[in-house]
Amino acid sequence: QKEVEQDPGPLSVPEGAIVSLNCTYSNSAFQYFMWYRQYSRKGPELLMYTYSSGNKEDGRFTAQVDKSSKYISLFIRDSQPSDSATYLCASLKYPGGNQFYFGTGTSLTVIP
Amino acid sequence: KAGVTQTPRYLIKTRGQQVTLSCSPISGHRSVSWYQQTPGQGLQFLFEYFSETQRNKGNFPGRFSGRQFSNSRSEMNVSTLELGDSALYLCASSRVVGTEQETQYFGPGTRLLVL
Repeated sequence: QKEVEQDPGPLSVPEGAIVSLNCTYSNSAFQYFMWYRQYSRKGPELLMYTYSSGNKEDGRFTAQVDKSSKYISLFIRDSQPSDSATYLCASLKYPGGNQFYFGTGTSLTVIP
Repeated sequence: KAGVTQTPRYLIKTRGQQVTLSCSPISGHRSVSWYQQTPGQGLQFLFEYFSETQRNKGNFPGRFSGRQFSNSRSEMNVSTLELGDSALYLCASSRVVGTEQETQYFGPGTRLLVL
């Protein structure tokens, strides 16, 4: 079993829709959770990170962690065509973690 | 603050050759990790360096090696290139506070094509 599992999609939504991207993880020692956005032929760009449980909001993006079910989510409100990219979730053990574990990425297309 | 930089951005090599890729981390970041990304496999962890020491290594053959210099800059080397080594090679850096690593920031990658 991989440390972090992510549905690869692809996911296609109309502009303005709410998008929900999800990952599950297996190691209860994971405390840091990150979401990256990667455009085609570019490096991943850090979108948001959260520590432990709860929600974190940044503009149209909300990251949510449910440690009881080992589930991490990224919600995108009012999705835009410019949100079309691959989204990667990642986790890090704390304390003592020095290797990041990534999901395989979900490909998202927002149709105008 | 400048981001993570990687050179070269694109590279074409032939089977059997070797290649060296370079990464300059964000200023103040002492941890550097390398990843291989291919369409079928996603992001695969190669290794992580901190204070010139390799702390972690992924499941790659010995043809893949790396090092880190005292200024935190890092290089990775692939010897005896194979067709399957064609990929985007990504470097990521992170700050280390005490002994704890903070989140990673990626460079643009080096796209390697092996013919």
